[in-house]
Amino acid sequence: DAGITQSPRYKITETGRQVTLMCHQTWSHSYMFWYRQDLGHGLRLIYYSAAADITDKGEVPDGYVVSRSKTENFPLTLESATRSQTSVYFCASTLGMGNEQFFGPGTRLTVL
Amino acid sequence: GEDVEQSLFLSVREGDSSVINCTYTDSSSTYLYWYKQEPGAGLQLLTYIFSNMDMKQDQRLTVLLNKKDKHLSLRIADTQTGDSAIYFCAALDSNYQLIWGAGTKLIIKP
Repeated sequence: DAGITQSPRYKITETGRQVTLMCHQTWSHSYMFWYRQDLGHGLRLIYYSAAADITDKGEVPDGYVVSRSKTENFPLTLESATRSQTSVYFCASTLGMGNEQFFGPGTRLTVL
Repeated sequence: GEDVEQSLFLSVREGDSSVINCTYTDSSSTYLYWYKQEPGAGLQLLTYIFSNMDMKQDQRLTVLLNKKDKHLSLRIADTQTGDSAIYFCAALDSNYQLIWGAGTKLIIKP
């Protein structure tokens, strides 16, 4: 199916574990983004990517790692999860900066 | 850098108009957007306005832009229960990055 998908949709993990959230888009959009959504903070950009093998930090990158070996995939890894990383994570993609961003359905991550 | 602010909640009666307000700080923002997030879902673009426009209308939606005051508003006419959602204002800054407001939760009273 065309669109942008995220997996898993829900994840519970423990402090100190490594977690990878997956994002896949079928439009061949150049740009992809990872946001976290927390009550009262709206959306905060974690990392973004302008193309395969090109990534850059956003507002809150600490504790996260990204890669983009293929245009369609943009995984986000929490190398050692902390409770403060409990959040809803959204992946988005767009043709170009300023164009409409298309969002995935989100991953709700709970770190115990 | 750019900062975008909006109030967190708005409560209106069904059938009334809703007006959601947003302020931004970067006068060089070229595009301003309204996104809608329904419960349990990602965000979807609702409408946008270019900085050289004062107003944009699309069916029940009216966007007003006051560049002097750096104030953006979204008016939803004849608000329905299906309009219950969180509405995000976003501004494209001079680095072509989207800066997001915290979102306004629209609550519809019967």
